[in-house]
Amino acid sequence: AQKVTQAQTEISVVEKEDVTLDCVYETRDTTYYLFWYKQPPSGELVFLIRRNSFDEQNEISGRYSWNFQKSTSSFNFTITASQVVDSAVYFCALELTGGGNKLTFGTGTQLKVEL
Amino acid sequence: KAGVTQTPRYLIKTRGQQVTLSCSPISGHRSVSWYQQTPGQGLQFLFEYFSETQRNKGNFPGRFSGRQFSNSRSEMNVSTLELGDSALYLCASSLGLAEWNTGELFFGEGSRLTVL
Repeated sequence: AQKVTQAQTEISVVEKEDVTLDCVYETRDTTYYLFWYKQPPSGELVFLIRRNSFDEQNEISGRYSWNFQKSTSSFNFTITASQVVDSAVYFCALELTGGGNKLTFGTGTQLKVEL
Repeated sequence: KAGVTQTPRYLIKTRGQQVTLSCSPISGHRSVSWYQQTPGQGLQFLFEYFSETQRNKGNFPGRFSGRQFSNSRSEMNVSTLELGDSALYLCASSLGLAEWNTGELFFGEGSRLTVL
């Protein structure tokens, strides 16, 4: 069975600080996808990134960056120069290839960015 | 373009009743997935439909069922409601072009069910 662990339940930072959200996953499969989603107070999950298990290249998108390390089964997410609008719950998720959109989610990290 | 629409947004039921939730996917999306979110269990996959066929199912009892119509709209039904069914039910749609394609999921804002 698959498992995704987000050990950080809640993180509070001051605006403009950098923050890293940790994600560790477990799977015996060799091919899979990893995801990050953001859930603002309105409730809908917003897709941030999908990463294929064969692609360990780190990715940067604006203030967001992702560090995928297969050797440690981690897929960490860093927000640079955080802003109040970044406040939300962030979920890491895993899907096996051929999984038909069946994602296994972590428990989420509540990020609070204060002025 | 319009996003994923879920109705109703909020509802209150009593134990033993049944409930039907509706989801209208983004136009052109053929895959609809349902997830249950609770404080205790987090986000859990219920089932996924593609072209009116259920092609994947999570570990939920038979009281939870769903269907998809020819226009890709989907409904899920929970019968004989229990207190533990209180949750945010999220629907997500994706293109689902290939049979087992993994696509970006677009979520609705959810239907919040309270069972008294």
